[in-house]
Amino acid sequence: AQTVTQSQPEMSVQEAETVTLSCTYDTSENNYYLFWYKQPPSRQMILVIRQEAYKQQNATENRFSVNFQKAAKSFSLKISDSQLGDTAMYFCAFLNPDSGAGSYQLTFGKGTKLSVIP
Amino acid sequence: DAGVIQSPRHEVTEMGQEVTLRCKPISGHDYLFWYRQTMMRGLELLIYFNNNVPIDDSGMPEDRFSAKMPNASFSTLKIQPSEPRDSAVYFCASRALGETQYFGPGTRLLVL
Repeated sequence: AQTVTQSQPEMSVQEAETVTLSCTYDTSENNYYLFWYKQPPSRQMILVIRQEAYKQQNATENRFSVNFQKAAKSFSLKISDSQLGDTAMYFCAFLNPDSGAGSYQLTFGKGTKLSVIP
Repeated sequence: DAGVIQSPRHEVTEMGQEVTLRCKPISGHDYLFWYRQTMMRGLELLIYFNNNVPIDDSGMPEDRFSAKMPNASFSTLKIQPSEPRDSAVYFCASRALGETQYFGPGTRLLVL
């Protein structure tokens, strides 16, 4: 079974600064997908960014980018120019589309609580 | 696109009562998922449907929980009878081709 580990339960960053959230995962598969979801105090789960394992290029969405290290099984999220609205729980998630009946099941990490300080 | 719609957004009920949570997936999405989120257990997948058919319900905690999807645009999750330990945020999510799941706003359930 796949596991996703987020080793930082809580982090804080000054507004306008850059912060990196870490995520590692364990799998023997070669084809998979990785996601970062954001959950603000409203509890809505919002997709931030996704990465296909077969792509070497790191995904980028505006101020959000990832550092995908496939060999190291690492998938960190970098938030540049942090804004107050970035305050949220951030969940890393893994999907193996070739795992039979469980192929649509996202495996989530336990989350990192990020606070952006004015 | 309105996104995944869930109702009610908040539900407070007494132990023993029946609770029904509703979900409307994004139009054209053929997979629908029900999740539960608690502080203790994090996000748990309860059940998912493909083309209105339940595929994997191994995450449903017990017989008090049931889910249906009578058509492509509507699903329900029912708890009968409800218990205080069912208090959680329940999310519905949907996806189409591709692997990205889009979540609804969630229903906060409190069972007294």
